[in-house]
Amino acid sequence: GAVVSQHPSWVICKSGTSVKIECRSLDFQATTMFWYRQFPKQSLMLMATSNEGSKATYEQGVEKDKFLINHASLTLSTLTVTSAHPEDSSFYICSYAGAASRSEQFFGPGTRLTVL
Amino acid sequence: AQKITQTQPGMFVQEKEAVTLDCTYDTSDQSYGLFWYKQPSSGEMIFLIYQGSYDEQNATEGRYSLNFQKARKSANLVISASQLGDSAMYFCAMREGRNFNKFYFGSGTKLNVKP
Repeated sequence: GAVVSQHPSWVICKSGTSVKIECRSLDFQATTMFWYRQFPKQSLMLMATSNEGSKATYEQGVEKDKFLINHASLTLSTLTVTSAHPEDSSFYICSYAGAASRSEQFFGPGTRLTVL
Repeated sequence: AQKITQTQPGMFVQEKEAVTLDCTYDTSDQSYGLFWYKQPSSGEMIFLIYQGSYDEQNATEGRYSLNFQKARKSANLVISASQLGDSAMYFCAMREGRNFNKFYFGSGTKLNVKP
């Protein structure tokens, strides 16, 4: 299956700072990537769909100015949490899915963000 | 209405026994895909099994099988011969929509396998 990497795997930052999370597709070109957020013991919540060369599509309730997504190339999508606050602490996961209905999502290993 | 419903927050099973994790879904699409993922404590999402809406046979992958009942809109995961390494969160998911660009996840079931 497709390989997706994320960096960093974990990050601790101070409140008010910005954090960038990278999501790379290692062996394929991804026109579309998905960004999820997961709180402890909860399900994945889709934040946005990242489209190469165009603006991301954000889910209802997700602040686009706070969670900046850039999909500048077919192998790299980034999520920047701007002016992070403790309530932004979460597990962030990116994924890629092929176009076919039977194509499963290939997930990155996730990034655990802790905002102090 | 929730797209994916998993009614079992936690389950216990004895090692080597079979266990069924429940999942019901809601869609008006004719074509959709159903998936099960495993998430161990490390956080990675591991794909287990897929069932297409037009597939007549229940999907099987090793010890995993999917009990697909289309009329009831249920897609239960059956794990046979449970192993200690099966202890994890399990998520049911559905893919639907135009271009199949919508993914929905259930709330998950925490499975604990007892030795």
